[in-house]
Amino acid sequence: EVQLVESGGGLVQPGGSLRLSCAASGFTFSDHYMDWVRQAPGKGLEWVGRVRDKAHSYTTEYAASVKGRFTVSRDDSKNSVFLQMNSLKIEDTAVYLCGRASPSVDRYYYFDLWGLGTLVTVSS
Amino acid sequence: DIRMTQSPSSLSASVGDRVTITCRAGQGISHHLAWFQQKPGRAPKLLIYDASAFQRGVPSEFSGSGSGTDFTLTINSLQPEHFATYYCQQYHAYPLTFGGGTKVEIK
Repeated sequence: EVQLVESGGGLVQPGGSLRLSCAASGFTFSDHYMDWVRQAPGKGLEWVGRVRDKAHSYTTEYAASVKGRFTVSRDDSKNSVFLQMNSLKIEDTAVYLCGRASPSVDRYYYFDLWGLGTLVTVSS
Repeated sequence: DIRMTQSPSSLSASVGDRVTITCRAGQGISHHLAWFQQKPGRAPKLLIYDASAFQRGVPSEFSGSGSGTDFTLTINSLQPEHFATYYCQQYHAYPLTFGGGTKVEIK
């Protein structure tokens, strides 16, 4: 079955760290860009960051709100993508979803598969 | 950042109605726009990409149009399973950005 399953969420104090994982199955993981998106309780979707594939040197992109604090990485041998979150703030509280991105005809990447997400709560 | 403005933010409609949701980009994004459906507790589901291309398996009631800054998602003959929140998203430039969502409720 083609799916993405996130894990690693939980309760963390402000200033703390957390590492999220997303396990992929049912498709050739290494062919795709992988992203993290978050959704605060009762709110809309906010893009967090992206890691490209090996062909694009695993380069990354980040939202300004997390740049310098969060790191997206991947391990193609384990079909997994990770989100290392440091210096967490209360406003980082959200469900974090991983998404698979595929290229369109003109090589712009769109999300075509999402996981259910894992909840991160930042609170003292 | 490219701001994505969706309207309306919510609407009430009946089964069988035709529903139109609009999305306006703060600057031109060519056709690099996707539409997603999200139900409570469920992962978002891709409906349309490249503004008007159908994702495999998506019901034919859904269609998308537009280019540049103005885009539309149309649901012909609304069905019970279509009551959900819909998001547009641009993938033309970083940071990737989403519209605020349109909640489609039963009248």
